Amino acid sequence: GAGVSQSPSNKVTEKGKDVELRCDPISGHTALYWYRQSLGQGLEFLIYFQGNSAPDKSGLPSDRFSAERTGGSVSTLTIQRTQQEDSAVYLCASSSPGLRSSGANVLTFGAGSRLTVL
Amino acid sequence: RKEVEQDPGPFNVPEGATVAFNCTYSNSASQSFFWYRQDCRKEPKLLMSVYSSGNEDGRFTAQLNRASQYISLLIRDSKLSDSATYLCVVKAGSTLGRLYFGRGTQLTVWP
Repeated sequence: GAGVSQSPSNKVTEKGKDVELRCDPISGHTALYWYRQSLGQGLEFLIYFQGNSAPDKSGLPSDRFSAERTGGSVSTLTIQRTQQEDSAVYLCASSSPGLRSSGANVLTFGAGSRLTVL
Repeated sequence: RKEVEQDPGPFNVPEGATVAFNCTYSNSASQSFFWYRQDCRKEPKLLMSVYSSGNEDGRFTAQLNRASQYISLLIRDSKLSDSATYLCVVKAGSTLGRLYFGRGTQLTVWP
């Protein structure tokens, strides 16, 4: 597609339930990021996928969080046993790699998935 | 020390004012630099890339100082529509290195 697509746009769940958030990046973009943003706060890095390299998972806040990227395209962020502090907007972004090519490393963000844990 | 640090502000300026934001980064091998803009309850969007020689896009001027490891953004003749949070972004040193975001600097332009 023309942009980064995320679903669902809004998700309300009960504490303790599992949730899955989906990101469909721009076609051809090999880099994919997940961030989360709580109200009034900055972007918190979660995980970074780059091509076939091992993902950088250093930002995942706990082992309840995991993410996959299948076939180098669509990514799913899974949060198990959700807690109220998981409530945030989860943003996905993609980019093409490289150093000097036009548009390299420019991130395009999706509109985000707003998660509310009751 | 964080990879990218910004003054969170807020900066409150009148229309027509000139305002400047600075951002520092810790990795001297960083290769690419950007400013993003985020409006309230919206996703961040690229404002401009920052080039070594400095670059200008209309009322916006970006500068890079590699020796001091800081990046600046200057906004001239501020408009009400410039009110947003401005995010400094730095790419880590390697080709496959990830991008690091600062926490953002909040700007409000008042009439």
